[in-house]
Amino acid sequence: NAGVTQTPKFRILKIGQSMTLQCTQDMNHNYMYWYRQDPGMGLKLIYYSVGAGITDKGEVPNGYNVSRSTTEDFPLRLELAAPSQTSVYFCASSVNNEQYFGPGTRLTVT
Amino acid sequence: AQTVTQSQPEMSVQEAETVTLSCTYDTSESDYYLFWYKQPPSRQMILVIRQEAYKQQNATENRFSVNFQKAAKSFSLKISDSQLGDAAMYFCARGAQFYFGTGTSLTVIP
Repeated sequence: NAGVTQTPKFRILKIGQSMTLQCTQDMNHNYMYWYRQDPGMGLKLIYYSVGAGITDKGEVPNGYNVSRSTTEDFPLRLELAAPSQTSVYFCASSVNNEQYFGPGTRLTVT
Repeated sequence: AQTVTQSQPEMSVQEAETVTLSCTYDTSESDYYLFWYKQPPSRQMILVIRQEAYKQQNATENRFSVNFQKAAKSFSLKISDSQLGDAAMYFCARGAQFYFGTGTSLTVIP
């Protein structure tokens, strides 16, 4: 099993650009999550999903959108990138309250 | 507020000694999970140990153990026989909708 994979690993965006961060898991987990981690801070929940077709906001959803058309994929969309969205983004899936994290995407908005 | 507080931004320990990392949390739920994650410089989030709130017995995983005080909403991590590979950021988290603390940076002194 590959577990949770994220692409890209690194990305630099200009202010106002859009992009999608990809997340895929091959463990057939229903629950999936997107977090951001700012320097020197813990993870903050952006959005989560309890199954295909069902998503909900977390602690810091503004500026992001998600969709969940399949169990495997949970992409995160940034529509108008802002410098405040510079961060490391982690995707995770979970089963039995145990989370499995992807390797993260480092995003810089300049 | 659903918060998790780690009051020790940095800790250090001599190799082979014992160190305890502190965590307090807030919740209105009666049944929940608590976690400690390790994040080395590689950024990968690694589950160290987890505790189910309805269980009285403190969880243990090899050299890692917790002191769970439900009434005090306290969840500390004890690392025994510290090793150089234990050096990392450690995050406390509360589930099911996961909230993370700001982390404790652990240095292990040879």
